[in-house]
Amino acid sequence: GAVVSQHPSWVICKSGTSVKIECRSLDFQATTMFWYRQFPKQSLMLMATSNEGSKATYEQGVEKDKFLINHASLTLSTLTVTSAHPEDSSFYICSARSAGTDNSPLHFGNGTRLTVT
Amino acid sequence: DAKTTQPPSMDCAEGRAANLPCNHSTISGNEYVYWYRQIHSQGPQYIIHGLKNNETNEMASLIITEDRKSSTLILPHATLRDTAVYYCIVRPGNTPLVFGKGTRLSVIA
Repeated sequence: GAVVSQHPSWVICKSGTSVKIECRSLDFQATTMFWYRQFPKQSLMLMATSNEGSKATYEQGVEKDKFLINHASLTLSTLTVTSAHPEDSSFYICSARSAGTDNSPLHFGNGTRLTVT
Repeated sequence: DAKTTQPPSMDCAEGRAANLPCNHSTISGNEYVYWYRQIHSQGPQYIIHGLKNNETNEMASLIITEDRKSSTLILPHATLRDTAVYYCIVRPGNTPLVFGKGTRLSVIA
C-alpha cells in the first residue's frame, strides 16, 4: 500500500515553455503533499508544501509564480514549471503521507527528470 | 537544515550485515527517527522509523540508544541491490522531511 505515482517520469522541453508534473496517491488520500527538487550529486531540497483546497506554502527562495502548485483533490497535486529555463533542469520528486497518526511515514514518487533545452 | 550527522560513505561485503550509524544529539522529545534510501535516479524509499524503542521490519532493524542521541540502521544480509544513499532524518510527526547528505553505501560482491 501507500503508493505515490508521478507523471511523466521524464520530460524534455524548450526554454520558455511550461511543463506540468502530476503527483497521485494511488491507494490513499493525502491532504498534504510535498514537492522536492534534486540537482545532480546533491540531496533533496524541499520546495513547497501542497495542501488540498488551499494555497501551497513555499520554502524560502522558491518562486511561487514560477512553480505553480495545485492540489485540487485528496489524491492529486500538480506542479507546473512556468517559462522554464535551462537552470530549471532537475529531478522533481513529490511525496505524500497516508492518513493515520502524525508519525506515519511519507511515501515518495519515482520522480520526474526535467531537461530544458 | 539537517539535524543529523552521518558518515559520507561506507562499504559492506555482500551477505554481511550493514550497520549505518547516525548521530542526532539535538533530537527533541517529540521527534521521530526516520530512515530512507535512494537508489540512483529513483525517489526515496521508506525503510523504517522509531521514537525510542528498537524497531524491526522486513527490510531492516533500527536501534536507538537510550538517550536517543544516536541510532543505527541494520541491514542484516546486504545484497548488491542495497547499494544506495541512506538518509537518517529526525522530525516531529507532522512536518516535511529535511534531507541531509546521507551515507552512500556500496555493497561489494
